Amino acid sequence: DTGVSQDPRHKITKRGQNVTFRCDPISEHNRLYWYRQTLGQGPEFLTYFQNEAQLEKSRLLSDRFSAERPKGSFSTLEIQRTEQGDSAMYLCASSSGYNQPQHFGDGTRLSIL
Amino acid sequence: AQTVTQSQPEMSVQEAETVTLSCTYDTSESDYYLFWYKQPPSRQMILVIRQEAYKQQNATENRFSVNFQKAAKSFSLKISDSQLGDAAMYFCAYRSQEGAGSYQLTFGKGTKLSVIP
Repeated sequence: DTGVSQDPRHKITKRGQNVTFRCDPISEHNRLYWYRQTLGQGPEFLTYFQNEAQLEKSRLLSDRFSAERPKGSFSTLEIQRTEQGDSAMYLCASSSGYNQPQHFGDGTRLSIL
Repeated sequence: AQTVTQSQPEMSVQEAETVTLSCTYDTSESDYYLFWYKQPPSRQMILVIRQEAYKQQNATENRFSVNFQKAAKSFSLKISDSQLGDAAMYFCAYRSQEGAGSYQLTFGKGTKLSVIP
């Protein structure tokens, strides 16, 4: 059990650029979640995958955001045409079942210049 | 939609003392799960304790225990014999029962706990 791994740890980019984050869940965890956390707030749910199927998306996930989980393994979260308001910590979590705890990664901190 | 409220932005406790963190939530569901997560500075969020709403008995994990009051929609966390390593942000979270249509955790804004040596 190597834990949930997220890459990169920190991303700095200019407004208007596209960014992509990667999450590698704990092996054999078929459920994967993305959250966004801004300063002074709790994490906010973005989207959920069960295996390769994206089963739930938050209204926070605008058209500029897209997430994939090909083959039900790692997942990517892409933000197109980044805006100042996208600056946040993006957290990934995985679990082995609905009733099992969600294990979180260290997160990717996005800073928009 | 469910909401989770943590009314204490910051708390402090003397080492070895006991502290209670408050959490209230709003839901129309009868079955659900409640959680406390700990997020140390610049470190991963980890699960501290969880409670199933259908269980009347309060959950306990070593020095951590909860006071679950379903009718009052209250879910407080008690930390006994506080240690320096307990210093962190603590988040209360809600999750619907499986099959209710949502898989997300809904978090409160958090309580920053400081432990004074």
